Amino acid sequence: NAGVMQNPRHLVRRRGQEARLRCSPMKGHSHVYWYRQLPEEGLKFMVYLQKENIIDESGMPKERFSAEFPKEGPSILRIQQVVRGDSAAYFCASSPAAYNEQFFGPGTRLTVL
Amino acid sequence: AQSVTQLDSQVPVFEEAPVELRCNYSSSVSVYLFWYVQYPNQGLQLLLKYLSGSTLVKGINGFEAEFNKSQTSFHLRKPSVHISDTAEYFCAVSGLNQAGTALIFGKGTTLSVSS
Repeated sequence: NAGVMQNPRHLVRRRGQEARLRCSPMKGHSHVYWYRQLPEEGLKFMVYLQKENIIDESGMPKERFSAEFPKEGPSILRIQQVVRGDSAAYFCASSPAAYNEQFFGPGTRLTVL
Repeated sequence: AQSVTQLDSQVPVFEEAPVELRCNYSSSVSVYLFWYVQYPNQGLQLLLKYLSGSTLVKGINGFEAEFNKSQTSFHLRKPSVHISDTAEYFCAVSGLNQAGTALIFGKGTTLSVSS
């Protein structure tokens, strides 16, 4: 059973460009979480999705950030018009149910030039 | 505000020495507790978790943690560390946010094991 997959592992964007981060959960997992890790900080929750639904986006910045988890395909975290402050490691986690162990992917390291 | 506090940002120890990494949380509701380890440029791996039952939880790689409800603590311990234990360790809780399931992380403790 393959683990949580994220791609790309490294992403470089110039200010103003768009960044798309992909997450394929473990087989059988329908719950996906996105977290952001800024330098010298722990991980911060961003958004929690189930198939086709956003359950909790209380940690998402109000502008430029969006997330989806379509019926088919990976979950996507989209950052529009990136700024240098968006440079961070973005981790995806999946679980088979709510209030269950979350399995983390290797992360996408976004660098904004 | 609800939060998770890891009291030590860095813990240097010698190989084969015991170690304790401290974690406290604030919450007025029941929570689930976790410790994760992160090796450089990798994702997080679950070390152990407390959901209910015995307050002493044993995890992988010889680690264990004890849940203390009265002190709202969940300290991680290992009786004898190895060089390979050098990594970043994160304490996390769920049950604190509006949906209840997202993990709230502490800022992490860097464990450095030297010979």
